[in-house]
Amino acid sequence: GIQVEQSPPDLILQEGANSTLRCNFSDSVNNLQWFHQNPWGQLINLFYIPSGTKQNGRLSATTVATERYSLLYISSSQTTDSGVYFCAVDRKYNFNKFYFGSGTKLNVKP
Amino acid sequence: GAVVSQHPSRVICKSGTSVKIECRSLDFQATTMFWYRQFPKQSLMLMATSNEGSKATYEQGVEKDKFLINHASLTLSTLTVTSAHPEDSSFYICSARDLFRLTSEGGEQFFGPGTRLTVL
Repeated sequence: GIQVEQSPPDLILQEGANSTLRCNFSDSVNNLQWFHQNPWGQLINLFYIPSGTKQNGRLSATTVATERYSLLYISSSQTTDSGVYFCAVDRKYNFNKFYFGSGTKLNVKP
Repeated sequence: GAVVSQHPSRVICKSGTSVKIECRSLDFQATTMFWYRQFPKQSLMLMATSNEGSKATYEQGVEKDKFLINHASLTLSTLTVTSAHPEDSSFYICSARDLFRLTSEGGEQFFGPGTRLTVL
């Protein structure tokens, strides 16, 4: 299968700080998504970003497919940003199997 | 748009009973839905791919007779945990892709809110 590594595994921030989460993957991919899992377990779609850069409010993401990594930027963090952030990818030519990273647990303190 | 619902959100059952979990795409159609399992403080693992009108495809190590999947329509897939045991206690999440927003590479997946199963 494909290996998906996320870093850091844990992150503690003071409210208002900025952060960068990283996702490395071991093979060529078709699709890459970033999710935020809230305390109730719901996965919230943040970005669908197989390549390029996207921005949505305080969040932005960049995927460099040729170098097999993606970055999620969180600016001016808020306590509601707390939770676990996952990236997930599927392999080229087998897009029906989604591989999740182990996640980054973010705790934003007031 | 692209909302996926699951029912029930939480279920507690006795060991040996069967539990059915429904996954519905509310505002789109999906020929393929996916079932995941997540243990506490762990990541999501794909259990099976549910195909409308045909048999599900199970991942290695997932017992197909234990986890019965039925994809009866373009908006509904069900997962039945048969003869549940405490080790089946977990968080089960489904996902789907919008049939009319598919690309040659698949497209974005949308996830349900999950079902927390506790087997006593």
